[in-house]
Amino acid sequence: DVKVTQSSRYLVKRTGEKVFLECVQDMDHENMFWYRQDPGLGLRLIYFSYDVKMKEKGDIPEGYSVSREKKERFSLILESASTNQTSMYLCASSFLAAGESTDTQYFGPGTRLTVL
Amino acid sequence: AQSVSQHNHHVILSEAASLELGCNYSYGGTVNLFWYVQYPGQHLQLLLKYFSGDPLVKGIKGFEAEFIKSKFSFNLRKPSVQWSDTAEYFCAVNAGNNRKLIWGLGTSLGVNP
Repeated sequence: DVKVTQSSRYLVKRTGEKVFLECVQDMDHENMFWYRQDPGLGLRLIYFSYDVKMKEKGDIPEGYSVSREKKERFSLILESASTNQTSMYLCASSFLAAGESTDTQYFGPGTRLTVL
Repeated sequence: AQSVSQHNHHVILSEAASLELGCNYSYGGTVNLFWYVQYPGQHLQLLLKYFSGDPLVKGIKGFEAEFIKSKFSFNLRKPSVQWSDTAEYFCAVNAGNNRKLIWGLGTSLGVNP
């Protein structure tokens, strides 16, 4: 069974703080993703990584950065948290199974971040 | 731009009713299609996926979806819903060779016992 874990389920931070969200997957997946999920807006991709030290911007990268120093770990960093970054953050990892034409993404439980 | 549209934002059904959730996408080439479900307080999990072959795909918990290429649709169905199907359902599309998924906004399903 694929296991994607996120460091915290709930997090409360203050405006201006630097925030680290950690994600770990145990299946040696190549690709990892960070999304934010907001009511009525669905899932929006922040960043993704297709290899160690490689990253690509998603649809809403502003105010965020990422780090992938090891294959199993993908960190999302809020350099200076703001109230509009209050959201549910979802991490996912994916791989290409034999015989399939594209990856399937597997998700962690999410981190609900509140910025005061 | 590629997009995914889920027609119903909120659906409320009684137990044993039949379910059909619409999903349409805008992309003229090869697509791979997914339905994910998020039960209250739980993580997103894969319900079913279509890559090729038989356009009628069966997933977990009695769900199925049909890919109709001419209609750019991938509707989710279940003949008889249960209270435990109360959840948010997301349709997603992978277009071409892109690693990224394009997501619909989700449909919130409530099932009354």
